[in-house]
Amino acid sequence: DAGVIQSPRHEVTEMGQEVTLRCKPISGHNSLFWYRQTMMRGLELLIYFNNNVPIDDSGMPEDRFSAKMPNASFSTLKIQPSEPRDSAVYFCASGPDRQGESTDTQYFGPGTRLTVL
Amino acid sequence: DAKTTQPPSMDCAEGRAANLPCNHSTISGNEYVYWYRQIHSQGPQYIIHGLKNNETNEMASLIITEDRKSSTLILPHATLRDTAVYYCIVRVGENRDDKIIFGKGTRLHILP
Repeated sequence: DAGVIQSPRHEVTEMGQEVTLRCKPISGHNSLFWYRQTMMRGLELLIYFNNNVPIDDSGMPEDRFSAKMPNASFSTLKIQPSEPRDSAVYFCASGPDRQGESTDTQYFGPGTRLTVL
Repeated sequence: DAKTTQPPSMDCAEGRAANLPCNHSTISGNEYVYWYRQIHSQGPQYIIHGLKNNETNEMASLIITEDRKSSTLILPHATLRDTAVYYCIVRVGENRDDKIIFGKGTRLHILP
């Protein structure tokens, strides 16, 4: 398995531009998570999906951020318009469906390093 | 807020066992303890998890105290590649849909 795939790996854009980050979860996983990591705030959960349905988006910083999961093998995180303070590494993670006593093992992608000038 | 407390940093000599402590004094009965690590410039990596029994896998061992208020992650023979930030995590709340919250973790330096 190729693991979680994210694209692009690096993105440099100018303030006000739209940015779209993409994620392909591990095949067969039912949960998908978007995180943001900065030096100041550490690793923050933005939103997570279960079976393509958004379960909790309370971590999404503001209306400029939106996430979709149109099918089990693809998700996007969009920022429109982007601002310099959005500069961070954005990670996507996926996890297997819960069974019995349940686990929360998450498998992370390599991340997208976003720089907004 | 993270429900765990970890030392900000630790050193360990290469080849020795690295013992990383974690306090989770408010853990609930059905909450698991998870450990992840993040090597520089990579995404976090799952290591191990447990409920109340000690656990071992190919990467590490997890020792959970009987009262479950603390645990220790043991890397039996640390190598330079184990240099990373290690996160101890407890699932928040009792709802199975509750999210995992990463705290600041312990920055482990393996010394040659």
